[in-house]
Amino acid sequence: ETGVTQSPTHLIKTRGQQVTLRCSSQSGHNTVSWYQQALGQGPQFIFQYYREEENGRGNFPPRFSGLQFPNYSSELNVNALELDDSALYLCASSLLGTSDEQYFGPGTRLTVT
Amino acid sequence: QKEVEQNSGPLSVPEGAIASLNCTYSDRGSQSFFWYRQYSGKSPELIMFIYSNGDKEDGRFTAQLNKASQYVSLLIRDSQPSDSATYLCAVIPGGTSYGKLTFGQGTILTVHP
Repeated sequence: ETGVTQSPTHLIKTRGQQVTLRCSSQSGHNTVSWYQQALGQGPQFIFQYYREEENGRGNFPPRFSGLQFPNYSSELNVNALELDDSALYLCASSLLGTSDEQYFGPGTRLTVT
Repeated sequence: QKEVEQNSGPLSVPEGAIASLNCTYSDRGSQSFFWYRQYSGKSPELIMFIYSNGDKEDGRFTAQLNKASQYVSLLIRDSQPSDSATYLCAVIPGGTSYGKLTFGQGTILTVHP
């Protein structure tokens, strides 16, 4: 176990709705990165949060947004859900500035109907 | 050209054999390289990381890095049925101040008794 937790485990939403996913980082880690993994593919980087600021972003539209809190936990928000947003959403915890290793939580399986 | 490419497999080896997984990357400035194992329905688990040219051994796993050839591999000795999983190669590209993991599509490994 990595000590990274995510909630909820599974979620079913309707196209056009909004969703919030949550992540608690491993103790001692200061950085959270979010990834989207479609079935049969490798994870795709969405963005990274460090010191409560977005620290880098992948090729995802602005309707994907996030937050990081003072305790280093994080939220991923997706507005105007589309069918293609159905995927496993993973958060990864790391200690930026010390090492590059990232440890994943169990993920949230989002289904958009 | 994809940033990170892996043989999609599936790769099937008998129990006790050596499994060899390969990965190439396009960004010559990449500095950090990772292997993750992902069981079906689970999140990726970090099993090896390597930053310098050469070999790095950890138990039955050996990671090999050749930056001149832009090639990283994972050897699994004495393969066990419990090693059956998807293996993901990931790279942090050069020129970024944040840890954006770029993944290959994964190689499915099956170890048969």
